[in-house]
Amino acid sequence: GNSVTQMEGPVTLSEEAFLTINCTYTATGYPSLFWYVQYPGEGLQLLLKATKADDKGSNKGFEATYRKETTSFHLEKGSVQVSDSAVYFCALRGSTLGRLYFGRGTQLTVWP
Amino acid sequence: DVKVTQSSRYLVKRTGEKVFLECVQDMDHENMFWYRQDPGLGLRLIYFSYDVKMKEKGDIPEGYSVSREKKERFSLILESASTNQTSMYLCASSQGQGWGKLFFGSGTQLSVL
Repeated sequence: GNSVTQMEGPVTLSEEAFLTINCTYTATGYPSLFWYVQYPGEGLQLLLKATKADDKGSNKGFEATYRKETTSFHLEKGSVQVSDSAVYFCALRGSTLGRLYFGRGTQLTVWP
Repeated sequence: DVKVTQSSRYLVKRTGEKVFLECVQDMDHENMFWYRQDPGLGLRLIYFSYDVKMKEKGDIPEGYSVSREKKERFSLILESASTNQTSMYLCASSQGQGWGKLFFGSGTQLSVL
């Protein structure tokens, strides 16, 4: 079946630190992979996506590369800001049209 | 700007009450979803719908039902609310057979006392 495993949080960093949030997946076929972000008091919003192996998604300084050989889609940012404090969700879309499977989420807190 | 609107931000109900959570999208999307979000468990899919009057069970449909009479509106119904249904409920929509970009509402925090 389809599932997503994320590193457990919370993650606490100082401003300008390097961020990695690990995500691995199990899926049948060739899934598309996503990172969503949820800022306090808001719903989730799409951060970036990758639809095939070796694709790199990027947005707002965040990057993630679709690695089929390691079934991973780790989120990285070179220099985090206080405004990046949020919950980050890794997700995959399998064969069921439109349906996403989410990881448990990782809380990120960035201190000035 | 695209919008998914959930009728209430906070809701407090009593055990045994029938509860309606409403969701409206203004993007003419075919697909609509109800998730619940609990700390440490992430998002779990309750029900989804690919078209008017159509519905599919997600991973945790027990204790819930849904209604989609119009394309833009998707309602989640708790037939007899219980304390273990206290949670954040998120509605989302997406376009057709798209690549999976969901648009989410801001959520309804439901407390069942």
